Amino acid sequence: DQQVKQNSPSLSVQEGRISILNCDYTNSMFDYFLWYKKYPAEGPTFLISISSIKDKNEDGRFTVFLNKSAKHLSLHIVPSQPGDSAVYFCAASLIMNYGGSQGNLIFGKGTKLSVKP
Amino acid sequence: ETGVTQTPRHLVMGMTNKKSLKCEQHLGHNAMYWYKQSAKKPLELMFVYNFKEQTENNSVPSRFSPECPNSSHLFLHLHTLQPEDSALYLCASSQGNPGWTGPERYTFGSGTRLTVV
Repeated sequence: DQQVKQNSPSLSVQEGRISILNCDYTNSMFDYFLWYKKYPAEGPTFLISISSIKDKNEDGRFTVFLNKSAKHLSLHIVPSQPGDSAVYFCAASLIMNYGGSQGNLIFGKGTKLSVKP
Repeated sequence: ETGVTQTPRHLVMGMTNKKSLKCEQHLGHNAMYWYKQSAKKPLELMFVYNFKEQTENNSVPSRFSPECPNSSHLFLHLHTLQPEDSALYLCASSQGNPGWTGPERYTFGSGTRLTVV
């Protein structure tokens, strides 16, 4: 059973518009969330994160919103650029060390974003 | 240059072969991970090593055997694999710590694309 769900396998957006990527989680114990970006033939790279004490974190064109009551987070990219075309993975973790998990990241399936010029 | 290097980039092997995947990190990290990425599935955590000690084996079949001789190197030994084991195998590293209680950001390698025939 997936603990982190990205229900949209793909998203297509026009250059300059906003891209919104969504992620849902089922484990209410998760308290740290990250977004990774992956280009073909490369490993995922860290993009932005948010802890559960916040509901918003912004870094340049990228903003992550967290709605704990809905167990939902989203990544907003504005304005979108063709270079943003990649697969975006949502990941969740526990800050506190429960058992032996050491805060290992649990990933979603990813959403492939295509930004068209 | 991500700081995490995986070799080989591509591997085709028969079901009776024995091969090894190699991962090396140059970041001074103390924790290393093996993830499996199959088509249309989330990144699946396989093994975790923290200070050369295996701290997690996520119900992985015994035909996959990890080895961590030091904090900079991680191997995944493969034998008698099945076609369904064909996937992208990603290595990652993070700071790690005894009794870690903080969120982690992983640095991933580019992966080994494995095809079992």
